[in-house]
Amino acid sequence: DAGITQSPRHKVTETGTPVTLRCHQTENHRYMYWYRQDPGHGLRLIHYSYGVKDTDKGEVSDGYSVSRSKTEDFLLTLESATSSQTSVYFCAISDRGQGTEEQYFGPGTRLTVT
Amino acid sequence: QQQVKQSPQSLIVQKGGISIINCAYENTAFDYFPWYQQFPGKGPALLIAIRPDVSEKKEGRFTISFNKSAKQFSLHIMDSQPGDSATYFCAPSINFNKFYFGSGTKLNVKP
Repeated sequence: DAGITQSPRHKVTETGTPVTLRCHQTENHRYMYWYRQDPGHGLRLIHYSYGVKDTDKGEVSDGYSVSRSKTEDFLLTLESATSSQTSVYFCAISDRGQGTEEQYFGPGTRLTVT
Repeated sequence: QQQVKQSPQSLIVQKGGISIINCAYENTAFDYFPWYQQFPGKGPALLIAIRPDVSEKKEGRFTISFNKSAKQFSLHIMDSQPGDSATYFCAPSINFNKFYFGSGTKLNVKP
């Protein structure tokens, strides 16, 4: 998985609680992304980062926030988890402009909100 | 707003046959057209990609055909193998920023 780890890999939480998912990379890639994957929807971009402290919204950003204080870490926070946020979350990295345009995906985090 | 429509949703092909998956898009600003392959329990991985200045790209048994005027591109898998059984996603992007994934095609190659 190209030097990308996600933690936790599985989490069950209750509605209304805050949740933070972590993506850690060892590739020193500039770009990092958070997606969610749901049946029938493919992968949908939540937020992405193009550098330390530089982030932007994706197509399904409501209810999510992100932070990137170091190149290697990109955090996704659900401020108050809802059942509609039950999903599999994937982190991805890329280093476009450096000879490759490929996105590398992490192993995913399965989140269940009860 | 659905920017990308992928078809079919599922596909069953006999070993040795040709698998064809299609992707239609709305946004003419898309300038990068990749296909990703995903196995159960894993993240997607880039399979093959094309830029809009060429109409076809071939890598081994995998070919992308691109039709700019029709706003469509397709993935062809020649001599399909059971190991190709996976879910495939098209994911066009603009300037390699935001990627818009299709809903996926689950391919099952029968031995």
